[in-house]
Amino acid sequence: EDQVTQSPEALRLQEGESSSLNCSYTVSGLRGLFWYRQDPGKGPEFLFTLYSAGEEKEKERLKATLTKKESFLHITAPKPEDSATYLCAVQAGETSGSRLTFGEGTQLTVNP
Amino acid sequence: DAGVTQSPTHLIKTRGQHVTLRCSPISGHKSVSWYQQVLGQGPQFIFQYYEKEERGRGNFPDRFSARQFPNYSSELNVNALLLGDSALYLCASRRGGGVVQYFGPGTRLTVL
Repeated sequence: EDQVTQSPEALRLQEGESSSLNCSYTVSGLRGLFWYRQDPGKGPEFLFTLYSAGEEKEKERLKATLTKKESFLHITAPKPEDSATYLCAVQAGETSGSRLTFGEGTQLTVNP
Repeated sequence: DAGVTQSPTHLIKTRGQHVTLRCSPISGHKSVSWYQQVLGQGPQFIFQYYEKEERGRGNFPDRFSARQFPNYSSELNVNALLLGDSALYLCASRRGGGVVQYFGPGTRLTVL
């Protein structure tokens, strides 16, 4: 069974204080690893897709990396508007269609 | 272009009732998936439809059913509502051949 574990559950940072969020996964045949951002009461907003170990992608203050067992979302010099829940999800297996298996999320709070 | 739209935004039902949730995918997207997100948890996969056929089903009871229409919009039906069905129901669409799923704003269902 595919499993995704995110840590920490919650993270509180000061504005400008860089940090990383972790996503560990166990899947049979990874087809893609996805990062989404979710604001309270809203649907997840797509950030990145990573396909193979060693791949990296960047967008503004965010950088996602992938190894064979985990992914990191690095946040550089965060701002209060980066406060949200960050969700990691995997798509795995030829027979899984496009089903995504999500972790529980990391709730990030950035204080001014 | 308009994103994924869902209706209604909020819904309050009582135990034992039936509910129908609606989703319109992004124009040109032929795949629609449904997810349930309980407060404080990551989304859980319920169904995937592609070209009006069911292509995947998550671990949900038969009280949950869905269908996709010729215009690729979709409905999620839940019968005999239980208190535990209270959640944010998310719809996501994906273009044929694509891997990224784009989520709608969700329908907040409260069962009393």
